[in-house]
This record gives sequence, C-alpha cells and structure tokens, in this order.
Amino acid sequence: AQSVTQLDSQVPVFEEAPVELRCNYSSSVSVYLFWYVQYPNQGLQLLLKYLSGSTLVKGINGFEAEFNKSQTSFHLRKPSVHISDTAEYFCAVSENWGAQKLVFGQGTRLTINP
Amino acid sequence: DGGITQSPKYLFRKEGQNVTLSCEQNLNHDAMYWYRQDPGQGLRLIYYSQIVNDFQKGDIAEGYSVSREKKESFPLTVTSAQKNPTAFYLCASSIMPGETQYFGPGTRLLVL
Repeated sequence: AQSVTQLDSQVPVFEEAPVELRCNYSSSVSVYLFWYVQYPNQGLQLLLKYLSGSTLVKGINGFEAEFNKSQTSFHLRKPSVHISDTAEYFCAVSENWGAQKLVFGQGTRLTINP
Repeated sequence: DGGITQSPKYLFRKEGQNVTLSCEQNLNHDAMYWYRQDPGQGLRLIYYSQIVNDFQKGDIAEGYSVSREKKESFPLTVTSAQKNPTAFYLCASSIMPGETQYFGPGTRLLVL
C-alpha cells in the first residue's frame, strides 16, 4: 500500500520570499501525484498533478512541483509567496492501477507573514 | 454552474442519533468518495463508489453507511456506532476511478 509523508506540519515565511513544501511517498508500483490547497473551512482545490511525462509540473497560482522518482519525492515550490497563499496544503498519491484510491499526507500549514 | 454541493454546512448530533450528510454533484461523474478530516491527520477515506448501485469500504468505514441509488447523489450516514464523529467531512467525485478528484465545500459535524 502507498503512503505519503509531508515533512513539515507548519511553514512560516515572509511575503515575497520563496517557499518549498516537502512531500515524500512510498509505493511498490507507479503512482500519480497531486497537490491540493485548502483555505479555512473550505473543501480542497487541486493545485497541480503529475500523471506522466515531464517531471516538472506547473499549476495554478504560480506553484510548481517536481517529481523525483529516485528520491520518491514531489516537493511543491513557489518563487514568491503572497498573503493570499496562507492555507493548508496536502500532498496525495494514488497507484495507477486497480481502485486507484487517493492517499493523503497529513498536511502542511503555510503561514505568510507581512 | 457544475460542481459538488454538500449540506448542511454544520450539523449537530445528539448521543445515540443517526445523522445523514448530503452530497450531490452535477458533473456527470461516475465515481464519488467520502473523506473524514481531523486536525493533523490529513484526509482518510470512509467509503467510495465507482458506479451507481455499488460502493466499497475505505480505511475507516466502521460506524458509517452509504448508498448510491443515483449517479449524482452519495449520502453518508453517521450512525450511533461511530463513537467519535466530530470532524470535517468532505465529499469528492471524479469522472471515473483514478481520475482527478474534485471536492465539495464540506460539512462540519459536532456532537451535543
């Protein structure tokens, strides 16, 4: 079975600084990878996804992520954050066969300070 | 507008009571899912349905039940057997199993 570890539960950064949210996964088969964002008391919104092809994936709101198969990682990055990026971010993985259920990490709370 | 709706936004349950959370989608998606979110634990899968009249247990199905009589609807019942029901419940759907999941706004369940 697959699993996901988000290495930081909280990440504080200053506005306009770069940020990286780390995600590692484990699986015995090929996977699809996702990053979702959740604003307070709301559902999850898809930021980006990796299914196949180029390992650098660009998403909405200026975010991007890089799939690294050898390190089993899918870290999320943004070169310059805004106050509006304050939210919780979830990394998720699904195996690309069978029921293809999504397994989520524990989440990383990103706080942007002025 | 196409999307997923969940109701109510807040729900209160008394001891020994069953409550039902609504999830409706007009995206014509085949697959639907229910997740439970607790602080610091991410999302955990309760039940999922890949097609009408079929559903499967997820990782934490005990104390919950579902039905899938219509393609657009996937209600979740939290039974009295669920001893710790306080959580944020999220419904999602995808065009087919394995495709990108889209989420509703959630229902927060509280125990009186």
